Amino acid sequence: AQTVTQSQPEMSVQEAETVTLSCTYDTSESDYYLFWYKQPPSRQMILVIRQEAYKQQNATENRFSVNFQKAAKSFSLKISDSQLGDAAMYFCAYRTRGTYKYIFGTGTRLKVLA
Amino acid sequence: EPEVTQTPSHQVTQMGQEVILRCVPISNHLYFYWYRQILGQKVEFLVSFYNNEISEKSEIFDDQFSVERPDGSNFTLKIRSTKLEDSAMYFCASSEAGTIYEQYFGPGTRLTVT
Repeated sequence: AQTVTQSQPEMSVQEAETVTLSCTYDTSESDYYLFWYKQPPSRQMILVIRQEAYKQQNATENRFSVNFQKAAKSFSLKISDSQLGDAAMYFCAYRTRGTYKYIFGTGTRLKVLA
Repeated sequence: EPEVTQTPSHQVTQMGQEVILRCVPISNHLYFYWYRQILGQKVEFLVSFYNNEISEKSEIFDDQFSVERPDGSNFTLKIRSTKLEDSAMYFCASSEAGTIYEQYFGPGTRLTVT
């Protein structure tokens, strides 16, 4: 069975600094997707970034980028130039290609300090 | 930007009662999902639904649960006889198509069973 692990329950970062959130996963599948979702307080989860396992190039979306290490089964999220609006719960998620089910990690709560 | 909406935001019910949680997916989306998150635990997949049929379900989704798209806009989750352990946040999600598209989540309904 697939699992997703986020080992950092909480992280803090100073405004304008860079922070990296960790995620590891376990699967025997070779074709899958990985996602980072952001959930601001009392709001819905919003997709931040997505990575297809067959793509070697790390995905980037503006200030958000990932470090995808397929062999190590690691998928970390880097947030550059952190802003107050980045404060949220961040969930790492996995989905095997061809299925509908997301498998989530427990989340990392990010605090951004002014 | 279109969003998935859910009502109510908080539902309190007594053990043994039936409860219906409602969702309005994004209008051009064809695939619908329910997830739940028990307090302090991971977000877990319950069911996916397409073309008026369940396309995938988890072992959590037993005979006590059912889903329906009663009209062109709503998607519902019914729990027939609620138990204390059904207390959780329930998230609805939708996607344009199936397994290659990311899912868009609603803000959740907090269900409290007393």
